[in-house]
Amino acid sequence: DAGVIQSPRHEVTEMGQEVTLRCKPISGHNSLFWYRQTMMRGLELLIYFNNNVPIDDSGMPEDRFSAKMPNASFSTLKIQPSEPRDSAVYFCASSRRLAGEDGELFFGEGSRLTVL
Amino acid sequence: AQRVTQPEKLLSVFKGAPVELKCNYSYSGSPELFWYVQYSRQRLQLLLRHISRESIKGFTADLNKGETSFHLKKPFAQEEDSAMYYCALIGGTSYGKLTFGQGTILTVHP
Repeated sequence: DAGVIQSPRHEVTEMGQEVTLRCKPISGHNSLFWYRQTMMRGLELLIYFNNNVPIDDSGMPEDRFSAKMPNASFSTLKIQPSEPRDSAVYFCASSRRLAGEDGELFFGEGSRLTVL
Repeated sequence: AQRVTQPEKLLSVFKGAPVELKCNYSYSGSPELFWYVQYSRQRLQLLLRHISRESIKGFTADLNKGETSFHLKKPFAQEEDSAMYYCALIGGTSYGKLTFGQGTILTVHP
């Protein structure tokens, strides 16, 4: 298995533009997590899904952020409109057990977003 | 609410010196604690979990409920230990919601 696959790896866009980040979890994993990494705040959980259903989206910063998981093998994180303060590395992670209860998440390589 | 605090953003030691990365947590129940590591150009990955009571790559971490701490220790640091380290917590009823600290960048000098 190639692991969790994220795209794009790098995205540079201008303020106000829509950004869509994509994630393919490891096959057979039933929980998926979106995290944001910044130097100031470290890793922040934005939202997570269990069996394609959003369980907790309390970490989504604003209505400009939305996430979907239409099936077990694909998820998107969308920012519309984007702002410079959204610049960060966005990680997707998946876990094999129910909502990662054993604590082991498998991370993608991240999507580095720069909003000018 | 559950919270993880790593007070040091940067930590530098020399090769062969002991190293301790601090982690404190806030949680009212019985948490499960973990350390994750991200080496340069690699994915973030699980290093160790407290319930396993194992030593991985020479690192150990003991859960101290009295001090609400889960510090990561290694008696003799190696250059290849240089990485970003994250402490993380799962609370009992949070369906596996893994809360991370801010991370500590460890640099081991030759």
